[in-house]
Amino acid sequence: DIQMTQSPSSLSASIGDRVTITCRATQNITRFLSWYQQKPGKAPNLLIYAASSVQSGVPSRISGSGSGTDFTLTISSLQPEDFATYYCQQTYSAPLTFGGGTEVEIK
Amino acid sequence: QVHLLQSGAEVKKPGASVKVSCQASGYTFIKYYVHWVRQAPGQGLEWMGMINPNGGSTNYAQKFQDRVTMTRDTSTSTVYMELSSLRPEDTAVFYCARISRSSSWFGFDFWGQGTLVTVSS
Repeated sequence: DIQMTQSPSSLSASIGDRVTITCRATQNITRFLSWYQQKPGKAPNLLIYAASSVQSGVPSRISGSGSGTDFTLTISSLQPEDFATYYCQQTYSAPLTFGGGTEVEIK
Repeated sequence: QVHLLQSGAEVKKPGASVKVSCQASGYTFIKYYVHWVRQAPGQGLEWMGMINPNGGSTNYAQKFQDRVTMTRDTSTSTVYMELSSLRPEDTAVFYCARISRSSSWFGFDFWGQGTLVTVSS
């Protein structure tokens, strides 16, 4: 199975900050990497697919990069609605494993 | 508009089974795989398995292999996930989500609202 490791597991940031979350796979997954945002009591919401393609409706301050085993989610200027938990997921091969999540909190 | 509507919350006793439904609308049912994801209270997302509505083939996570059954009813565009031999640690929210059959490149683009299953004696 492919393991996905996210870091950090949590972070505190202020409005307007640039935030970066990383995700590492235990083997090459090319660009089969998605990022999701989840708010309390809600289902996850797809932000990024294919490592860097932005899902329709997602604000332009959110971007993704990477390929192979190392990936990054960046929020260029943190907004109040961005405080949530973020998960990466590899869709290269079953089981379609998720990272452990990164909780973004208000500083 | 695409919608995945899940059945309501359940309370079950240890050892029982639960069957959660996920009814799809707004798209061609057989063109997307449906996956199930578990989230225990305060925990992360855990992939359980998937079903291909076009034919009904399945692929389960090894952890759930012996206890989970996923089925579909194409006449109602509904997918079912049944989990047996429930234990208290199965208490969780269960989500269904779809992904394109053409490529898994596109991620889980639509999710159900989640179904809380509580296992308690």
